[in-house]
Amino acid sequence: EAQVTQNPRYLITVTGKKLTVTCSQNMNHEYMSWYRQDPGLGLRQIYYSMNVEVTDKGDVPEGYKVSRKEKRNFPLILESPSPNQTSLYFCASSRNPGQGNTEAFFGQGTRLTVV
Amino acid sequence: SQQGEEDPQALSIQEGENATMNCSYKTSINNLQWYRQNSGRGLVHLILIRSNEREKHSGRLRVTLDTSKKSSSLLITASRAADTASYFCATNTNAGKSTFGDGTTLTVKP
Repeated sequence: EAQVTQNPRYLITVTGKKLTVTCSQNMNHEYMSWYRQDPGLGLRQIYYSMNVEVTDKGDVPEGYKVSRKEKRNFPLILESPSPNQTSLYFCASSRNPGQGNTEAFFGQGTRLTVV
Repeated sequence: SQQGEEDPQALSIQEGENATMNCSYKTSINNLQWYRQNSGRGLVHLILIRSNEREKHSGRLRVTLDTSKKSSSLLITASRAADTASYFCATNTNAGKSTFGDGTTLTVKP
């Protein structure tokens, strides 16, 4: 089954404690992306990756890091989480946007609370 | 403000009626997509329309795109209670940047 898997689904952590949210896709997609969703603000792109070892900043990259060492995985790293990073996070993957058909597949989301 | 903006923010209709949502964007796009989200869950792709297309249909969905006005609309015909969800438009560039609107929350009353 084609899917994007995020872990964990729920996480409560304390300010400053490094955490990683994993994202894995099984569709051999070149493109992967992270978003955060906050009430009234829709989804905002954090980072994206067009292919292995290629990452770019989205609209709200501050406080986040990503890596793309393998095609299937795109972890989101919060080196020093702060309460303003409390949000619902989504990972998505698709074929290369330059190829036109870029239907994105989304993970089920990770609800992060930083206290 | 964000590139993709939907209106209305909220829409409440009776089952069987049609629902129309609009989306505006600011820059040149490669394509525009509509997604559906059930409360707090992942987004599900509904339909994609390329920048050189004007209208597209998929089942009860009809999407239009007007690149001169930088706007798109999503029409859901003969709505059902199960269509209750939030709907988002998203634009993509060839370089990989994607922008989502704030969404329209649709409530279909049985």
